[in-house]
Amino acid sequence: GAVVSQHPSWVICKSGTSVKIECRSLDFQATTMFWYRQFPKQSLMLMATSNEGSKATYEQGVEKDKFLINHASLTLSTLTVTSAHPEDSSFYICSAIGQGVGQETQYFGPGTRLLVL
Amino acid sequence: DQQVKQNSPSLSVQEGRISILNCDYTNSMFDYFLWYKKYPAEGPTFLISISSIKDKNEDGRFTVFLNKSAKHLSLHIVPSQPGDSAVYFCAASESTSYDKVIFGPGTSLSVIP
Repeated sequence: GAVVSQHPSWVICKSGTSVKIECRSLDFQATTMFWYRQFPKQSLMLMATSNEGSKATYEQGVEKDKFLINHASLTLSTLTVTSAHPEDSSFYICSAIGQGVGQETQYFGPGTRLLVL
Repeated sequence: DQQVKQNSPSLSVQEGRISILNCDYTNSMFDYFLWYKKYPAEGPTFLISISSIKDKNEDGRFTVFLNKSAKHLSLHIVPSQPGDSAVYFCAASESTSYDKVIFGPGTSLSVIP
Protein backbone atom coordinates (compact mmCIF):
# COMPACT_ATOMS: atom_id res chain seq x y z
CA GLY A 1 0.00 0.00 0.00
CA ALA A 2 0.89 3.68 -0.15
CA VAL A 3 3.37 4.93 2.42
CA VAL A 4 3.56 8.39 3.89
CA SER A 5 6.40 9.37 6.16
CA GLN A 6 6.86 12.29 8.52
CA HIS A 7 10.01 13.77 9.96
CA PRO A 8 10.73 14.31 12.73
CA SER A 9 8.56 11.98 14.80
CA TRP A 10 9.28 13.95 17.98
CA VAL A 11 10.43 17.51 18.50
CA ILE A 12 10.93 19.55 21.64
CA CYS A 13 11.67 23.22 21.24
CA LYS A 14 11.82 26.43 23.19
CA SER A 15 9.04 28.97 23.00
CA GLY A 16 9.63 31.45 20.19
CA THR A 17 11.49 29.14 17.87
CA SER A 18 10.21 27.79 14.56
CA VAL A 19 9.77 24.13 13.80
CA LYS A 20 9.56 22.49 10.39
CA ILE A 21 7.78 19.19 9.86
CA GLU A 22 8.18 17.25 6.64
CA CYS A 23 5.60 14.97 5.05
CA ARG A 24 6.65 12.69 2.19
CA SER A 25 4.75 10.27 -0.01
CA LEU A 26 7.26 7.48 -0.57
CA ASP A 27 5.77 5.42 -3.37
CA PHE A 28 3.25 7.63 -5.09
CA GLN A 29 2.84 11.17 -6.27
CA ALA A 30 0.67 13.19 -3.93
CA THR A 31 -1.27 15.87 -5.73
CA THR A 32 -2.93 16.86 -2.47
CA MET A 33 -1.68 16.71 1.09
CA PHE A 34 -3.57 17.54 4.25
CA TRP A 35 -2.33 18.71 7.62
CA TYR A 36 -4.18 17.82 10.81
CA ARG A 37 -3.56 18.36 14.47
CA GLN A 38 -4.83 16.26 17.30
CA PHE A 39 -5.06 17.25 20.94
CA PRO A 40 -5.07 14.50 23.57
CA LYS A 41 -8.22 12.40 23.48
CA GLN A 42 -9.70 14.55 20.75
CA SER A 43 -10.34 14.09 17.09
CA LEU A 44 -8.18 15.06 14.16
CA MET A 45 -8.81 18.63 13.17
CA LEU A 46 -8.04 19.59 9.59
CA MET A 47 -5.74 22.59 9.48
CA ALA A 48 -5.13 23.04 5.78
CA THR A 49 -5.23 21.47 2.35
CA SER A 50 -2.11 21.70 0.27
CA ASN A 51 -1.99 21.23 -3.49
CA GLU A 52 1.32 20.87 -5.29
CA GLY A 53 2.52 24.15 -6.73
CA SER A 54 -0.20 26.33 -5.25
CA LYS A 55 -1.00 28.08 -2.01
CA ALA A 56 -2.51 26.07 0.79
CA THR A 57 -6.16 26.44 1.74
CA TYR A 58 -6.52 26.98 5.47
CA GLU A 59 -9.49 26.03 7.59
CA GLN A 60 -11.33 28.67 9.53
CA GLY A 61 -9.49 29.68 12.66
CA VAL A 62 -6.08 28.45 11.49
CA GLU A 63 -3.54 31.26 11.16
CA LYS A 64 -1.74 30.95 7.84
CA ASP A 65 1.12 33.15 9.01
CA LYS A 66 1.55 30.94 12.03
CA PHE A 67 1.42 27.63 10.21
CA LEU A 68 3.32 27.95 6.95
CA ILE A 69 2.70 25.20 4.44
CA ASN A 70 4.79 24.55 1.36
CA HIS A 71 4.03 21.83 -1.18
CA ALA A 72 6.90 22.27 -3.56
CA SER A 73 6.90 18.85 -5.14
CA LEU A 74 4.58 15.91 -5.71
CA THR A 75 6.19 13.97 -2.89
CA LEU A 76 6.90 16.58 -0.24
CA SER A 77 4.91 19.03 1.85
CA THR A 78 6.25 20.94 4.82
CA LEU A 79 4.52 22.54 7.77
CA THR A 80 6.44 25.22 9.65
CA VAL A 81 5.15 26.29 13.03
CA THR A 82 6.54 29.79 13.37
CA SER A 83 7.33 31.34 16.73
CA ALA A 84 5.98 28.30 18.51
CA HIS A 85 4.30 28.66 21.90
CA PRO A 86 3.29 26.06 24.47
CA GLU A 87 -0.30 26.07 23.19
CA ASP A 88 1.03 24.84 19.83
CA SER A 89 2.09 21.60 21.51
CA SER A 90 0.12 18.91 19.76
CA PHE A 91 0.28 15.86 17.53
CA TYR A 92 0.55 16.92 13.89
CA ILE A 93 -0.43 14.44 11.22
CA CYS A 94 -0.26 14.72 7.46
CA SER A 95 -2.07 12.71 4.86
CA ALA A 96 -1.80 12.44 1.11
CA ILE A 97 -3.86 11.42 -1.86
CA GLY A 98 -2.75 11.27 -5.45
CA GLN A 99 -2.23 9.26 -8.55
CA GLY A 100 -1.98 5.49 -8.69
CA VAL A 101 -1.77 3.54 -5.50
CA GLY A 102 -2.64 6.49 -3.30
CA GLN A 103 -5.71 7.47 -5.23
CA GLU A 104 -8.53 5.74 -3.40
CA THR A 105 -8.20 7.23 0.02
CA GLN A 106 -6.07 9.45 2.16
CA TYR A 107 -2.95 7.78 3.48
CA PHE A 108 -1.73 9.12 6.76
CA GLY A 109 1.74 9.67 8.04
CA PRO A 110 2.76 8.42 11.49
CA GLY A 111 2.48 11.89 13.00
CA THR A 112 4.86 14.33 14.68
CA ARG A 113 4.66 15.07 18.38
CA LEU A 114 5.55 18.69 19.10
CA LEU A 115 6.27 19.89 22.61
CA VAL A 116 6.96 23.57 23.09
CA LEU A 117 8.54 24.47 26.41
CA ASP B 1 -20.76 22.52 15.46
CA GLN B 2 -19.72 18.91 15.14
CA GLN B 3 -20.71 17.51 11.76
CA VAL B 4 -19.65 13.94 12.54
CA LYS B 5 -20.54 12.52 15.91
CA GLN B 6 -19.52 9.40 17.73
CA ASN B 7 -21.47 9.45 20.93
CA SER B 8 -19.71 6.54 22.59
CA PRO B 9 -16.20 7.55 23.63
CA SER B 10 -15.38 3.97 24.58
CA LEU B 11 -16.58 0.41 24.10
CA SER B 12 -15.52 -2.91 25.63
CA VAL B 13 -16.25 -6.22 23.94
CA GLN B 14 -15.30 -9.82 24.66
CA GLU B 15 -13.03 -11.51 22.18
CA GLY B 16 -15.04 -13.40 19.56
CA ARG B 17 -18.14 -11.26 19.99
CA ILE B 18 -19.37 -8.53 17.70
CA SER B 19 -18.23 -4.92 18.08
CA ILE B 20 -20.62 -2.26 16.86
CA LEU B 21 -19.37 1.29 16.56
CA ASN B 22 -21.87 4.00 15.74
CA CYS B 23 -21.59 7.30 13.96
CA ASP B 24 -24.07 10.07 13.17
CA TYR B 25 -23.66 13.03 10.88
CA THR B 26 -25.51 16.25 10.28
CA ASN B 27 -24.32 17.42 6.86
CA SER B 28 -26.63 16.04 4.15
CA MET B 29 -23.98 16.90 1.54
CA PHE B 30 -21.69 14.13 2.73
CA ASP B 31 -21.30 11.52 0.01
CA TYR B 32 -18.56 9.24 1.26
CA PHE B 33 -18.01 7.78 4.66
CA LEU B 34 -14.87 6.19 5.97
CA TRP B 35 -13.67 4.39 9.04
CA TYR B 36 -10.12 4.70 10.29
CA LYS B 37 -8.31 2.83 13.01
CA LYS B 38 -5.67 4.55 15.09
CA TYR B 39 -3.14 3.39 17.63
CA PRO B 40 -1.60 5.88 20.08
CA ALA B 41 1.14 8.06 18.61
CA GLU B 42 0.49 6.75 15.12
CA GLY B 43 -1.39 8.06 12.11
CA PRO B 44 -4.85 6.68 11.28
CA THR B 45 -5.11 3.63 9.06
CA PHE B 46 -7.91 3.37 6.54
CA LEU B 47 -10.27 0.46 7.23
CA ILE B 48 -13.32 0.60 5.04
CA SER B 49 -15.49 3.10 3.23
CA ILE B 50 -18.98 3.36 1.81
CA SER B 51 -20.55 5.54 -0.82
CA SER B 52 -23.92 7.18 -0.17
CA ILE B 53 -25.45 5.13 -2.99
CA LYS B 54 -24.91 1.95 -1.00
CA ASP B 55 -26.25 0.80 2.32
CA LYS B 56 -23.68 -1.86 3.09
CA ASN B 57 -20.07 -2.62 2.36
CA GLU B 58 -18.19 -5.63 3.63
CA ASP B 59 -14.50 -6.41 3.82
CA GLY B 60 -13.54 -9.50 5.75
CA ARG B 61 -14.45 -9.06 9.40
CA PHE B 62 -15.48 -5.44 8.85
CA THR B 63 -18.89 -4.35 7.61
CA VAL B 64 -20.14 -0.79 7.38
CA PHE B 65 -23.85 -0.05 7.24
CA LEU B 66 -25.25 3.28 6.09
CA ASN B 67 -28.74 4.60 6.81
CA LYS B 68 -28.81 7.79 4.82
CA SER B 69 -32.30 8.85 5.88
CA ALA B 70 -31.27 8.64 9.52
CA LYS B 71 -27.82 10.09 8.81
CA HIS B 72 -26.34 7.17 10.66
CA LEU B 73 -23.66 4.64 9.95
CA SER B 74 -22.14 1.82 11.91
CA LEU B 75 -19.08 -0.36 11.76
CA HIS B 76 -19.43 -4.01 12.69
CA ILE B 77 -16.41 -6.09 13.55
CA VAL B 78 -17.02 -9.80 13.87
CA PRO B 79 -15.45 -11.72 15.41
CA SER B 80 -13.62 -9.14 17.51
CA GLN B 81 -9.97 -9.82 18.25
CA PRO B 82 -7.65 -8.31 20.88
CA GLY B 83 -5.62 -6.71 18.06
CA ASP B 84 -8.69 -4.70 17.15
CA SER B 85 -8.27 -2.66 20.31
CA ALA B 86 -7.68 0.90 19.09
CA VAL B 87 -9.48 4.19 18.54
CA TYR B 88 -11.87 4.12 15.62
CA PHE B 89 -12.68 7.31 13.77
CA CYS B 90 -15.71 7.78 11.61
CA ALA B 91 -15.12 10.31 8.83
CA ALA B 92 -17.12 11.85 6.03
CA SER B 93 -16.46 13.67 2.80
CA GLU B 94 -18.57 15.62 0.34
CA SER B 95 -16.58 14.60 -2.70
CA THR B 96 -15.42 11.44 -4.40
CA SER B 97 -11.83 12.59 -4.40
CA TYR B 98 -11.78 12.88 -0.61
CA ASP B 99 -10.94 16.53 -0.93
CA LYS B 100 -11.78 17.23 2.66
CA VAL B 101 -12.58 14.67 5.28
CA ILE B 102 -14.27 15.56 8.53
CA PHE B 103 -13.47 13.27 11.43
CA GLY B 104 -15.63 12.31 14.35
CA PRO B 105 -14.21 12.37 17.88
CA GLY B 106 -13.44 8.66 17.88
CA THR B 107 -14.47 5.61 19.89
CA SER B 108 -11.90 3.70 21.87
CA LEU B 109 -12.51 -0.03 21.46
CA SER B 110 -11.13 -2.54 23.93
CA VAL B 111 -11.41 -6.20 23.04
CA ILE B 112 -11.01 -8.31 26.13
CA PRO B 113 -9.36 -11.72 25.70
